Amino acid sequence: AQSVTQLDSHVSVSEGTPVLLRCNYSSSYSPSLFWYVQHPNKGLQLLLKYTSAATLVKGINGFEAEFKKSETSFHLTKPSAHMSDAAEYFCVVSTFSGGYQKVTFGTGTKLQVIP
Amino acid sequence: ETGVTQTPRHLVMGMTNKKSLKCEQHLGHNAMYWYKQSAKKPLELMFVYNFKEQTENNSVPSRFSPECPNSSHLFLHLHTLQPEDSALYLCASSQQAGSSYEQYFGPGTRLTVT
Repeated sequence: AQSVTQLDSHVSVSEGTPVLLRCNYSSSYSPSLFWYVQHPNKGLQLLLKYTSAATLVKGINGFEAEFKKSETSFHLTKPSAHMSDAAEYFCVVSTFSGGYQKVTFGTGTKLQVIP
Repeated sequence: ETGVTQTPRHLVMGMTNKKSLKCEQHLGHNAMYWYKQSAKKPLELMFVYNFKEQTENNSVPSRFSPECPNSSHLFLHLHTLQPEDSALYLCASSQQAGSSYEQYFGPGTRLTVT
């Protein structure tokens, strides 16, 4: 079984303050984990990915995430929010076994940035 | 621009119509995907093609019929759809199918079934 839980459907932060978007996962196989961002009326854009290398992953636009196997978490952080960060963020787990790829998206977290 | 284009961007069709969605990727990738994004539901992976071969069909109703004539093009043929099929349909591509390959998404086709 494979699942992704994004613990907050909405997060609101003030511009210049830290961002924390939480993600927990479960998987029977060694997963790859991704964070994507979707701005209104646009497709999804990759922020960062974890594929069993370094557990602290740096992505674009100052975002980073830490893979914690013991906690089955992959939370997304950014030290200082910018207005342009307002968007919806998706945590994704992907596995490949027996020639079949299984991709599971979380339900998304909408980030609001207050000026 | 991600290198993945989708046409049309918006489509309104009746339940008896037949239409097709088109996706094209200019990234030299070998895997292509169709996803359905409905309001208040997670993205659902519908189909996966790897080197033009369909490798995934996640219990998608037969009124959705994919076609992948080559590694750069992917179609989704639609017929006798239901109102609950109204959604944003996203196409994606990756270097090949596999858990570690990131996917590049198109802007989507907003489908409304009346």
